[in-house]
Amino acid sequence: DGGITQSPKYLFRKEGQNVTLSCEQNLNHDAMYWYRQDPGQGLRLIYYSQIVNDFQKGDIAEGYSVSREKKESFPLTVTSAQKNPTAFYLCASSKAGTGDGYTFGSGTRLTVV
Amino acid sequence: GEDVEQSLFLSVREGDSSVINCTYTDSSSTYLYWYKQEPGAGLQLLTYIFSNMDMKQDQRLTVLLNKKDKHLSLRIADTQTGDSAIYFCAESFSGGYNKLIFGAGTRLAVHP
Repeated sequence: DGGITQSPKYLFRKEGQNVTLSCEQNLNHDAMYWYRQDPGQGLRLIYYSQIVNDFQKGDIAEGYSVSREKKESFPLTVTSAQKNPTAFYLCASSKAGTGDGYTFGSGTRLTVV
Repeated sequence: GEDVEQSLFLSVREGDSSVINCTYTDSSSTYLYWYKQEPGAGLQLLTYIFSNMDMKQDQRLTVLLNKKDKHLSLRIADTQTGDSAIYFCAESFSGGYNKLIFGAGTRLAVHP
């Protein structure tokens, strides 16, 4: 079955460390997205990519970086410049030009210790 | 600007109907969506409606769209404890890429 996989499910980061969250999809979707969700809040867009080797900043890109070297993969790095990284991170993908909406992964909970 | 608004909390008794409301701003949105998020999980697409429709029914779910007022609602009939979750409304943004604008989510609590 096709789907979108995020790993790890839980991640702990020490102050000053960079960490990378994985997102892989086998849906043959063109576009991929990263969102941040804080308790009791909605989704905030960090980065998105419509095609391989291209990505755009979302609303809260500072302190984050991404790459899109393969269609299937869109990893997110949370850098030490992100001052408040503790949150739930959601990856999504979509097929361009359809109304099918986004398919979401199951999320990664990042905690700074 | 782009904005989707939802009430934050709804409490219903098991077996009653739930109605979750949403207002949006982009009158040229092509699709409007309802997603469900259970604790610690990702968002699951429940249903969506094309903007030229007024209503869509899918088993216990009924979506109503009032384009004039830019108002979308999700009705869940015979609400069960398993329906307890956060429900997100989203509109497709007409400018640029396949962008969805999400509301803040409505937490539905179902009690016996």
